[in-house]
Amino acid sequence: DQQVKQNSPSLSVQEGRISILNCDYTNSMFDYFLWYKKYPAEGPTFLISISSIKDKNEDGRFTVFLNKSAKHLSLHIVPSQPGDSAVYFCAAIPTQGNLIFGKGTKLSVKP
Amino acid sequence: DSGVTQTPKHLITATGQRVTLRCSPRSGDLSVYWYQQSLDQGLQFLIQYYNGEERAKGNILERFSAQQFPDLHSELNLSSLELGDSALYFCASSGGDVTGYTFGSGTRLTVV
Repeated sequence: DQQVKQNSPSLSVQEGRISILNCDYTNSMFDYFLWYKKYPAEGPTFLISISSIKDKNEDGRFTVFLNKSAKHLSLHIVPSQPGDSAVYFCAAIPTQGNLIFGKGTKLSVKP
Repeated sequence: DSGVTQTPKHLITATGQRVTLRCSPRSGDLSVYWYQQSLDQGLQFLIQYYNGEERAKGNILERFSAQQFPDLHSELNLSSLELGDSALYFCASSGGDVTGYTFGSGTRLTVV
């Protein structure tokens, strides 16, 4: 049973527009939610995180929103750039435990 | 370079064989985590070691085992390999910060 779900395997957006990647979770005991970015032939790299007690965290072009009542989080990238093309993994960490990942969403930003 | 080194990068082996994947964590990190990424799957947590001791176990098969040595490097041993074991195996290390999982570039295992 997947505790972290990314229901969109892929997303394509135009350069300069907003990219919105979505993630749903089932466990209310997660303390932190994170987004990782992965390029081919490389390991995932940490992008941005949000504590379960917050509803928004912003870092430059990247903003993560958390809706606890809906058990949903999203990553907004504005403006999107071709270099943002990668696979984005949503992850969550419970109070006791390790990072649990979704299956990833492949973002393609077209020039 | 993330600071986490995994060797080898690629491995091709036959069913029934045994292989060892190696991971050197980032300097100063005491925790090592192993994850498996199969086709169309997310990263599945296998096992965690902290300063030489097993700390947590995930979906790790009994045919798989791991250890962390005094110099903090870790090895993941996969035995009696099956075709379904073909996957990317990632190692990550952490110094304790929840956002501080640093991943290596992975070992791609192909079982033929």
